Amino acid sequence: GEDVEQSLFLSVREGDSSVINCTYTDSSSTYLYWYKQEPGAGLQLLTYIFSNMDMKQDQRLTVLLNKKDKHLSLRIADTQTGDSAIYFCAAGLSGGYQKVTFGIGTKLQVIP
Amino acid sequence: DGGITQSPKYLFRKEGQNVTLSCEQNLNHDAMYWYRQDPGQGLRLIYYSQIVNDFQKGDIAEGYSVSREKKESFPLTVTSAQKNPTAFYLCASSIEQDDEQFFGPGTRLTVL
Repeated sequence: GEDVEQSLFLSVREGDSSVINCTYTDSSSTYLYWYKQEPGAGLQLLTYIFSNMDMKQDQRLTVLLNKKDKHLSLRIADTQTGDSAIYFCAAGLSGGYQKVTFGIGTKLQVIP
Repeated sequence: DGGITQSPKYLFRKEGQNVTLSCEQNLNHDAMYWYRQDPGQGLRLIYYSQIVNDFQKGDIAEGYSVSREKKESFPLTVTSAQKNPTAFYLCASSIEQDDEQFFGPGTRLTVL
């Protein structure tokens, strides 16, 4: 089955860029997602990228996909204290039923 | 407003008791999911339902049961057979042919 891996923790200073990395194992994955979870809350979909894309930018967020290496990254420009949260990478297959495998989550700490 | 609601936010139960967690959505989504989140383990799929009156076991279904009598509702029962029920439970839904999952705010269950 699919396995999604990401580092557990990242600490950055306010105003710097954050880069959260993720690797997945199933090359059939069609959709790659980034979710944000604030303490005690559910997951909020931040952005996603189709497997036939290399990059997607949405305001301060940039997603890069290296399909050959099965590597996904999320860059947050001008990181703010409100960005402190856990970020989940997820990989999914299309085709009716949606099977999504989530990573363990990366806790982003933004230092003022 | 459209969305997914879960209730209650916090739930305490004595060991050996069954407990039912509520999940309701008014997004007109066909598919609904239940995940369990434990520290350091990310999200694990318990059950999913693609359509009313149909549901399938996920990766960790033992000790849990679900029903899907209405499109809007997908309650999860944590039975006394679940060995370690204390966790954060997340419900999600998605349009059948679309891969984005939208999450509810979660229910934190503590078994005493």
